[in-house]
Amino acid sequence: NAGVTQTPKFRVLKTGQSMTLLCAQDMNHEYMYWYRQDPGMGLRLIHYSVGEGTTAKGEVPDGYNVSRLKKQNFLLGLESAAPSQTSVYFCASRRGVYTDTQYFGPGTRLTVL
Amino acid sequence: DQQVKQNSPSLSVQEGRISILNCDYTNSMFDYFLWYKKYPAEGPTFLISISSIKDKNEDGRFTVFLNKSAKHLSLHIVPSQPGDSAVYFCAPPSGSARQLTFGSGTQLTVLP
Repeated sequence: NAGVTQTPKFRVLKTGQSMTLLCAQDMNHEYMYWYRQDPGMGLRLIHYSVGEGTTAKGEVPDGYNVSRLKKQNFLLGLESAAPSQTSVYFCASRRGVYTDTQYFGPGTRLTVL
Repeated sequence: DQQVKQNSPSLSVQEGRISILNCDYTNSMFDYFLWYKKYPAEGPTFLISISSIKDKNEDGRFTVFLNKSAKHLSLHIVPSQPGDSAVYFCAPPSGSARQLTFGSGTQLTVLP
């Protein structure tokens, strides 16, 4: 089991460029989440999904879009990157039944110049 | 408005001694609390949890205490080891998707 994997690990973008971050889990989990972490802060929820084909907004969704076309994958898109989106992005998954434990990927460090 | 506060950004402890990490919350609807541990350049990993119907949960060297009336949790690590040096987050789940609300974390350094 690879658990939760994220691609890429690092990325540098220029303002206005777009990109997609990929999250994949091999645990057959129903729920998936995208968080961002900024220096000195805890993780904040961007978007989440309660199952294949569903998505919902979290605490800080502006500037991001997501898709969950397949149960195992959760994509985070930035259509027009801004310096304020410089952060570390973490994906997580949760089985969904009788457990609150989320399993996190290793993160993607994104810098927007 | 921060619902989860970890007021100590950092803590240093000698190896073998006790580490106590604190977490305060404001939302009385929180019914479960998770602690995560995070090493640099890695994702958070689950450490221990506690339900609001309990006041203590123990797992090896790690014990979490919950004081509901004070809306306060503490994580005790005994004895502390250098490998425990990491950032520790308090994170209660809430909402229909049980999304986590993270505190700002406490950097624990265990000195050899």
